[in-house]
Amino acid sequence: DTEVTQTPKHLVMGMTNKKSLKCEQHMGHRAMYWYKQKAKKPPELMFVYSYEKLSINESVPSRFSPECPNSSLLNLHLHALQPEDSALYLCASSPTEGRYNEQFFGPGTRLTVL
Amino acid sequence: SQQGEEDPQALSIQEGENATMNCSYKTSINNLQWYRQNSGRGLVHLILIRSNEREKHSGRLRVTLDTSKKSSSLLITASRAADTASYFCATEFDSNYQLIWGAGTKLIIKP
Repeated sequence: DTEVTQTPKHLVMGMTNKKSLKCEQHMGHRAMYWYKQKAKKPPELMFVYSYEKLSINESVPSRFSPECPNSSLLNLHLHALQPEDSALYLCASSPTEGRYNEQFFGPGTRLTVL
Repeated sequence: SQQGEEDPQALSIQEGENATMNCSYKTSINNLQWYRQNSGRGLVHLILIRSNEREKHSGRLRVTLDTSKKSSSLLITASRAADTASYFCATEFDSNYQLIWGAGTKLIIKP
């Protein structure tokens, strides 16, 4: 299995809602990533988990809360989001966090915050 | 933060022609990677070239790296409609193994 899956594909939420994005991979990768991508822009790194521990947090607001329950799963919990948080949220994985690792991306969750 | 800059921002060519896009970066790197993104979907890794390599091929793709000029180019030969996508370069450097992304080139292949 060489796939990264993400659910849901689309999500519409109000500013007072709490929701979660899910990501799963079964390639045995030990690094997992959350990116945010606005239209016509490159991905922006949000979080990196390496061996299930948070390795990098790119100064993301606390209304985004990542969780890595095990080596195959990565969640992003959302609470009290703002309309400007509307974007494509991409999950990726790589064998490790080290050098020369290509990243495998999921199809993304298209999030709209009303 | 973006380290890479890509040009052109957009490129429209006829099917069968070759497409070339360029990427420049600012600091020394471990490697440079190219990714493709079809409209509104996830990115797909195309090719990785290490800092000690000058050229790499994969099928219809040819990537060159000039570390003295801090630039790379991606050539797609004999383009097809399915090559229509955005193409991003991403650099990895020593102090931080994270990828730094270029702004992307939007490629349109006209039938």
